Amino acid sequence: GIQVEQSPPDLILQEGANSTLRCNFSDSVNNLQWFHQNPWGQLINLFYIPSGTKQNGRLSATTVATERYSLLYISSSQTTDSGVYFCAVEGNSGYSTLTFGKGTMLLVSP
Amino acid sequence: GAGVSQSPSNKVTEKGKDVELRCDPISGHTALYWYRQSLGQGLEFLIYFQGNSAPDKSGLPSDRFSAERTGGSVSTLTIQRTQQEDSAVYLCASSPGQYLEAFFGQGTRLTVV
Repeated sequence: GIQVEQSPPDLILQEGANSTLRCNFSDSVNNLQWFHQNPWGQLINLFYIPSGTKQNGRLSATTVATERYSLLYISSSQTTDSGVYFCAVEGNSGYSTLTFGKGTMLLVSP
Repeated sequence: GAGVSQSPSNKVTEKGKDVELRCDPISGHTALYWYRQSLGQGLEFLIYFQGNSAPDKSGLPSDRFSAERTGGSVSTLTIQRTQQEDSAVYLCASSPGQYLEAFFGQGTRLTVV
């Protein structure tokens, strides 16, 4: 099945810093989503972005489908940005389902 | 409803007992997914429904696990003869269809003692 790799696995930032999280995937995809898992375990939808670029406030994401990667940018980070960021993809063959990467654990310190 | 709803939020059960976990998807969503997340780990795919049928059951970890969906809506995940290694958070998601944006419920935290 499709493989999803996220980097870095862990990231520590000072409040106000910017960061880039990366998601590589091994095959063509029809769906790519970024999620933030908060300290209570809830998965929050950030972006549905199988291709192109989107922005939402301090967050933006870019997926280059032809090169099989996606980037999540966090600008002016805040302590509330802490948590785990997951990338999940859905391939375009057969009964494909959302396959998750192992996540990037982000800690933003004041 | 406004979002995906899962019940119960927490479940503590004795080893060997059966448990049922419930998922109410967003109204009109035809695709429904179950995942499991052990402590500090990523999300492990369990099963996917399109309507009432489950074309992909490959993720169920053993024959103690089963799932059904009725009326193209509510889904139940049943674990028989629970074991301590079944302790995890069980997450349900729904989407309007394959390849469309999926939304997750708050999860059911299962503890087997």
